[in-house]
Amino acid sequence: GQNIDQPTEMTATEGAIVQINCTYQTSGFNGLFWYQQHAGEAPTFLSYNVLDGLEEKGRFSSFLSRSKGYSYLLLKELQMKDSASYLCAVRVMDSNYQLIWGAGTKLIIKP
Amino acid sequence: DADVTQTPRNRITKTGKRIMLECSQTKGHDRMYWYRQDPGLGLRLIYYSFDVKDINKGEISDGYSVSRQAQAKFSLSLESAIPNQTALYFCATSDSGPGDQPQHFGDGTRLSIL
Repeated sequence: GQNIDQPTEMTATEGAIVQINCTYQTSGFNGLFWYQQHAGEAPTFLSYNVLDGLEEKGRFSSFLSRSKGYSYLLLKELQMKDSASYLCAVRVMDSNYQLIWGAGTKLIIKP
Repeated sequence: DADVTQTPRNRITKTGKRIMLECSQTKGHDRMYWYRQDPGLGLRLIYYSFDVKDINKGEISDGYSVSRQAQAKFSLSLESAIPNQTALYFCATSDSGPGDQPQHFGDGTRLSIL
């Protein structure tokens, strides 16, 4: 079966760094996406990893280890506007390359 | 104007009613998707379409049907709504290019079935 695990909720302090983990067990891996979703709004694309290693985009970075079925999203210099849910999604070849989504991690930023 | 537009944004209806949710896009993407989102669960794929003549069932297609009227339009129907179809519904689009093409989402339709 297909399974993606993320922590349900995390809390961090404004200005700090936070790492959101995602582990997956899927039949056939073809890339991993991270999305941000503010409450009541649409998910928006943050990053994509298909090869092992770190991808950096400004304050956000995403890491992938395919052998461990593991990814993380690293957010630096946290701002209040980063309070949102962060969704991990894996593209699987066995499902016509569709995305399997984790339930998301709700990140709460405190002053 | 939004690139992916969903109508209506909110809908309350009764069990047994037929409902249509509409999605239109100006991004010129070939691929379109319908998802539902429930609290504590990940987005779940209902149907997807790679072009006007291509319709595919997703993980949870039972109780739903779709129509791809044009490249830019993809509608979702609930033939006879039931309360457990109460959810937030999202339409998404993506390009048919290389594997890193992300999906772009509409603002969602909040549907309540009483």
